[in-house]
Amino acid sequence: EVKLVESGGGLVQPGGSLRLSCTASGFTFSTYEMNWVRQAPGKGLEWVSYISNTVNTIYYADSVKGRFTISRDNAKNSLFLQMNSLRAEDTAVYYCARVVTTSTTDWFDPWGQGTLVTVSS
Amino acid sequence: DIQMTQSPSSLSASVGDRVTITCRASQSINTYLNWYQQKPGKAPKLLIYAASSLQSGVPSRFSGSGSGTDFTLTISSLQPEDFATFFCQQSYGIPYTFGQGTKLHIK
Repeated sequence: EVKLVESGGGLVQPGGSLRLSCTASGFTFSTYEMNWVRQAPGKGLEWVSYISNTVNTIYYADSVKGRFTISRDNAKNSLFLQMNSLRAEDTAVYYCARVVTTSTTDWFDPWGQGTLVTVSS
Repeated sequence: DIQMTQSPSSLSASVGDRVTITCRASQSINTYLNWYQQKPGKAPKLLIYAASSLQSGVPSRFSGSGSGTDFTLTISSLQPEDFATFFCQQSYGIPYTFGQGTKLHIK
C-alpha cells in the first residue's frame, strides 16, 4: 500500500520553529517529486513547497519563502519541512503529497493524513 | 500566478441527482487540471487527473471535461458517500494553485 504519514505538528508560539516529517512507504520514494500543501481551519488548500526527487529543484510559495525549508532523505524515505519565524497565519493542517508525473502533466496522489500546526501565544 | 475559480461555492442536492461543478482558470492551462474530493477531517483524495482521466478505483459516476480555461466535474447520480468538498487544481505552472472549493450538501 502506498502511504504517507506526517508527524511533528503541535502548538508553537509566534516566532518559533517546528520541523515536520513525512514518512513514505509502499513505493520507491527516491523516484518521486514531493510537495507540502496546507489547509487553514475551515479554509481551502494552499500549496507550500515542492522538491524534486534528486533535490536539484525546490520551489516555495511566496507566503513562506525565506522562512520554510523543504528537504528530503531518500535513504530514509522521508520528507521534511523546517518552519521558522512562524506566524499566526501559518496555523493549518500540513499535508505531504506525492507528485505523479507523466510526459504531459502531473497530479498529487496520495496525500498523507495531515499534521496540525497551531501558532499561538 | 494562475487563479482558479470554482462555482458554485456551495451546492445542495439529493441522492440520485446529477451535479456539475465548474472550474475556471485565469489563463489557458491546456488539460493540466485535477479534481480532488475531501471529506471532513480527512485528506484530499484524487478523483480526476489531466482534466478527464478517472483515477483508478474512483466510481465511474465521476467524470471530468474541459480544456484551456473552462473545466467541469460531473457526478452522474449522487450517492450518500459523495457529499464532500471538491477542489480543482492546476498543475500547469508553479505555484500550483487550487480552486476555493465547492461544498456539496445533502438537500
